Amino acid sequence: NAGVTQTPKFQVLKTGQSMTLQCAQDMNHNSMYWYRQDPGMGLRLIYYSASEGTTDKGEVPNGYNVSRLNKREFSLRLESAAPSQTSVYFCASSVLEPQHFGDGTRLSIL
Amino acid sequence: KQEVTQIPAALSVPEGENLVLNCSFTDSAIYNLQWFRQDPGKGLTSLLLIQSSQREQTSGRLNASLDKSSGRSTLYIAASQPGDSATYLCAVRNSGGSNYKLTFGKGTLLTVNP
Repeated sequence: NAGVTQTPKFQVLKTGQSMTLQCAQDMNHNSMYWYRQDPGMGLRLIYYSASEGTTDKGEVPNGYNVSRLNKREFSLRLESAAPSQTSVYFCASSVLEPQHFGDGTRLSIL
Repeated sequence: KQEVTQIPAALSVPEGENLVLNCSFTDSAIYNLQWFRQDPGKGLTSLLLIQSSQREQTSGRLNASLDKSSGRSTLYIAASQPGDSATYLCAVRNSGGSNYKLTFGKGTLLTVNP
């Protein structure tokens, strides 16, 4: 009964390093999402995937890339991390509503 | 652009009290509205989903109402318990256009004191 699993849970990077955040869901959902949550800003959509092989930009896509590897997995890549990307990142999946969320990856960039 | 506002930002109440959390949105052309709960260090859990044609939804001690024309929703929690302590977020899905996108409010941090 895992639901949405995100790895890693915590990560500290130096400016300029690259990293991939992993997300997997076991609910056979077509749609998957990446959000970031910042104090005072609420949740903002980074990228969305309606199905395997398709991705769309959300509200704040700059500095990120995504890969929908298969129906289960949706990864988020930071090619050259910047301090402004320090945040909590959430992955979610759904058929339509509601979206099911993972527990997040807490990312700090020094 | 849709904007979602939640008032108050924080609320502290004694156990057993009934309480209301408020959510307002600027564009009434919504497809649905959801209330989520977020515990510290955790992801969001969906509590209630109200379609645009509905006026309210109930689940146990929770009741959510929707007045689309005025751009408002309320989450009513009856007989609050310490276990209700969490951040509550409201989110709307607009009708038409990029209809997968949810616009979230910043949340209300609820503390229920024993």
